[in-house]
Amino acid sequence: NAGVTQTPKFRILKIGQSMTLQCTQDMNHNYMYWYRQDPGMGLKLIYYSVGAGITDKGEVPNGYNVSRSTTEDFPLRLELAAPSQTSVYFCASSLRDHTGELFFGEGSRLTVL
Amino acid sequence: KQEVTQIPAALSVPEGENLVLNCSFTDSAIYNLQWFRQDPGKGLTSLLLIQSSQREQTSGRLNASLDKSSGRSTLYIAASQPGDSATYLCAVRGSGGGADGLTFGKGTHLIIQP
Repeated sequence: NAGVTQTPKFRILKIGQSMTLQCTQDMNHNYMYWYRQDPGMGLKLIYYSVGAGITDKGEVPNGYNVSRSTTEDFPLRLELAAPSQTSVYFCASSLRDHTGELFFGEGSRLTVL
Repeated sequence: KQEVTQIPAALSVPEGENLVLNCSFTDSAIYNLQWFRQDPGKGLTSLLLIQSSQREQTSGRLNASLDKSSGRSTLYIAASQPGDSATYLCAVRGSGGGADGLTFGKGTHLIIQP
């Protein structure tokens, strides 16, 4: 099993551009999450999904959108990129909420100039 | 609101030593606690998951304990090796966390000197 796969690993965007970070998991997990990690700030939840067709906002959703059309995929879209969105983005999944073990992807490092 | 603190923020020890990393949390109403390892430029790798009903979990040279009543968990690493150098994060999942129930600590940056 590949686990949680994220693409791209690195990307540089200009202010105002848009892009999609891809996330795929092959563990048939129901729950999927997007986090951003900034130096000294820990991980913050952007969006999460409890199953196909269901998404909900986390702590820092502004400037982002998600969709969950299949169990496997949970893309994160950045509209009108801003320098404040420069960060490392992690996708994660778990079989169950609350008691489930979290599995993370390798991360996508995004720089907005 | 749940708060998770990891002490120390950084630690450097010679190879071969046994060491303990600490994680404390303010709200004892948790579902579980998970320890992760993060290498530079990489994602988080799950090390151990302790459910609220458990006291400890072991995997190889790693042992994690949980004391819910005192709001503390420790990660014990035996016979440390240079390959153990990484940042170690604990994450607590409970009703006091965010939408996902999770609250992460900021991590302990561990360096094992050869």
